[in-house]
Amino acid sequence: EAGVVQSPRYKIIEKKQPVAFWCNPISGHNTLYWYLQNLGQGPELLIRYENEEAVDDSQLPKDRFSAERLKGVDSTLKIQPAELGDSAVYLCASSLGLAADTDTQYFGPGTRLTVL
Amino acid sequence: AQKVTQAQTEISVVEKEDVTLDCVYETRDTTYYLFWYKQPPSGELVFLIRRNSFDEQNEISGRYSWNFQKSTSSFNFTITASQVVDSAVYFCALQRGYQKVTFGTGTKLQVIP
Repeated sequence: EAGVVQSPRYKIIEKKQPVAFWCNPISGHNTLYWYLQNLGQGPELLIRYENEEAVDDSQLPKDRFSAERLKGVDSTLKIQPAELGDSAVYLCASSLGLAADTDTQYFGPGTRLTVL
Repeated sequence: AQKVTQAQTEISVVEKEDVTLDCVYETRDTTYYLFWYKQPPSGELVFLIRRNSFDEQNEISGRYSWNFQKSTSSFNFTITASQVVDSAVYFCALQRGYQKVTFGTGTKLQVIP
């Protein structure tokens, strides 16, 4: 079974440029997550989707970050414009989302963003 | 509020030694879930184990074992007979229901051949 797929794996951009990350979750997983991981830190949730609905986006900086999950499968996370402080790894995860006591998140390889 | 503390930032061991990674958590909830993930240099977080708060049985999976103690709010992870392939950053995490998962800051394990 294929895992969570993310692209690109690496991205280098100039500050003030836009950037987008793509995620394809594990087949059948209803819940999709975007995390931000700074160097030497654990992942921090940016947004969580239940199917196509964003049910928790409280940590998403909405002035420059946006996300969508059209049709409840693939998702795109966008930053516009990027700032130097956005340099980090952006992780996507998915889970079945059926019951809290069995729901486990599986992560993709991440996109390492460098903003110059 | 939830909090996960991994006090060990980095650990180095010689191959074949046993090593324990500590995890202490804080939560006011009676029902919660604990996790360990492994992050090798490739960057992908690999799921290792999930534990429900009402199940304090220790678990062993090959060279890996986990010691869950509610009395001390700890969920420690032991690798027996460590191998070079165990070198990675290990994260402990806590989740309440469908609330967001709170990760610790990770422990970097280096196994020296």
